[in-house]
Amino acid sequence: KNEVEQSPQNLTAQEGEFITINCSYSVGISALHWLQQHPGGGIVSLFMLSSGKKKHGRLIATINIQEKHSSLHITASHPRDSAVYICAVFSETSGSRLTFGEGTQLTVNP
Amino acid sequence: GAVVSQHPSRVICKSGTSVKIECRSLDFQATTMFWYRQFPKQSLMLMATSNEGSKATYEQGVEKDKFLINHASLTLSTLTVTSAHPEDSSFYICSAWTGSHQPQHFGDGTRLSIL
Repeated sequence: KNEVEQSPQNLTAQEGEFITINCSYSVGISALHWLQQHPGGGIVSLFMLSSGKKKHGRLIATINIQEKHSSLHITASHPRDSAVYICAVFSETSGSRLTFGEGTQLTVNP
Repeated sequence: GAVVSQHPSRVICKSGTSVKIECRSLDFQATTMFWYRQFPKQSLMLMATSNEGSKATYEQGVEKDKFLINHASLTLSTLTVTSAHPEDSSFYICSAWTGSHQPQHFGDGTRLSIL
């Protein structure tokens, strides 16, 4: 079993829909990253959080440390949101290393 | 926000060639830089961790003589794929990190194709 698991693996939505991507992890963590990988391969860090909730524009990330679960929400989705979304954790024992989930391929159709 | 520049973005070259990829942190000093490799439809795989002025730490199974990493300054790390062969064709991406409680900042990656 992977230490970081994401669901769903693939997600197709219509423009305007509310999107939720889930991430569960099995190790103690110091922080969790949500990353966005564009079709060209470049990766952007969307959020890093260790508790509670963060919001940036149409993106919201939440984390529940007790349940070892995080969610990434996209409100009013748009075709330009189409990308791979990756959950990654800094575990308490691995220091600077990130452990990555397999990613969620999101496609938003117009 | 923090910007990491990776160059070149794409390389196509003949088998046996050595290829150097640069990773620069443009507006901050990075304590640590990471080099990842990614195969199609797969997640990132850490190859090595480099700290400025010291030898890189390679992950198990990564040949340090094949993938040479130099971290000469707090803003520049290079990965050289020596005597590249078709099986080295992949997407390579770096990230830079300033320390505890900070996110990793990623470059745009380099797509390497060896003919």
